Parts: sequence; C-alpha cells; structure tokens
Amino acid sequence: AQSVTQLDSHVSVSEGTPVLLRCNYSSSYSPSLFWYVQHPNKGLQLLLKYTSAATLVKGINGFEAEFKKSETSFHLTKPSAHMSDAAEYFCVVSLYSSASKIIFGSGTRLSIRP
Amino acid sequence: DGGITQSPKYLFRKEGQNVTLSCEQNLNHDAMYWYRQDPGQGLRLIYYSQIVNDFQKGDIAEGYSVSREKKESFPLTVTSAQKNPTAFYLCASSMDRGGSPLHFGNGTRLTVT
Repeated sequence: AQSVTQLDSHVSVSEGTPVLLRCNYSSSYSPSLFWYVQHPNKGLQLLLKYTSAATLVKGINGFEAEFKKSETSFHLTKPSAHMSDAAEYFCVVSLYSSASKIIFGSGTRLSIRP
Repeated sequence: DGGITQSPKYLFRKEGQNVTLSCEQNLNHDAMYWYRQDPGQGLRLIYYSQIVNDFQKGDIAEGYSVSREKKESFPLTVTSAQKNPTAFYLCASSMDRGGSPLHFGNGTRLTVT
C-alpha cells in the first residue's frame, strides 16, 4: 500500500527566509513523487516531479525537492520566501505503473509574514 | 494554449436538484479525473476515466455520476442522492501512464441550499 504524510498542516515564515515543507511517503514500489501548489479558489499547479532520475529536483518559482529513499522523504524547499508563495502545497505519490493510483497528502498551508 | 476548462466557476442549486459540472480538455490526454475538495482537506477522488466510454469509481462515488463519450469531455453530475454536495470540485487530466503529472482546471465551487 502507498501513502503520503505531510508533517505540518501550517507553516509560517518571514519574507526572505527559507521555506521547508515536509513530506514522507510509503510505497511498495518505486514511486513517482510530485509537489503541487494551490492558490485560493484555483486549481492545482505542478511545482516539480521526481521520477527516478536525479534525486534533487528543481521546479518552478525557485522551489526544489530532494528525494531521500533511506528516509522515505521528499521535502520541498526554497531559499528565500516571497509573499506570492503564500498558498496551499500538496505532496503527491503516484504508483509508476498506473495513472489511477494517485495519493494526495492533506496539504500544508504556507503563510508569509512581511 | 492547451489546458482544462471547467465551467461554471460558481454554481448554486436548491437541495433535491441534480446539477452537471462541465470539464473539457484539449491536451489530448487519455485519462481524466474528478476530485472533491472540502475546506482544510486534501483531494478525494470521485471518478476517473482512462479511455473513452469507460470510467471507474473512486473513493467517494456515491451520489455522483459521470460519462465519457468524447476524449475531450468528462462531465460530472451531482445527484440529489449526494448527502453533502457543497464543495469545490476539481477536474484533472493526464497521459495514461504512471509518473505522468496531473493537469488541473480552475475548479467549480458548488453551493447547495
């Protein structure tokens, strides 16, 4: 069985400081891992994805994530937060062999303090 | 530009009425999905379709129905049997193979009173 856990429901940082959003996963197979961002009343937008190539994945808007198999983690980071980063972030696990086996984390709300 | 269009953005209905939410994509994706999102919660899968004229129930299919008569279209009907239909509904599509990211529409917010 596969699952995904986002360890923080809410993270608040000051503008210009680093962002860390934590995600742990469980999968019996080699998973594909994704981070999506959702702004209020909008759909989800893909930030980045890991599909067994490089373990450090760079995404849009300065975000990146590192796949650590030994820790079963896929944490999302950004060196310097911007006010426009305030949104909901979802970590997603997908079973590689099937597009229908997609598991969403419960989301982390990121707030940015001026 | 390719993408997914959901309409309408806001929808209001009286209790007991069926309502249909539209989802159209021009990405030539085989797979399409409907998710429900409630405040402070993640996404829950209602139905998905991997090919025209075929679809499968997701985790919370009760009170919903879908059709997939065309590759581009995957409408969702919220029936009067759905006990708590007020929610934000998201449609998505992807290439039908594992590891493919989902592409989302901007959602329809349904309010039933």
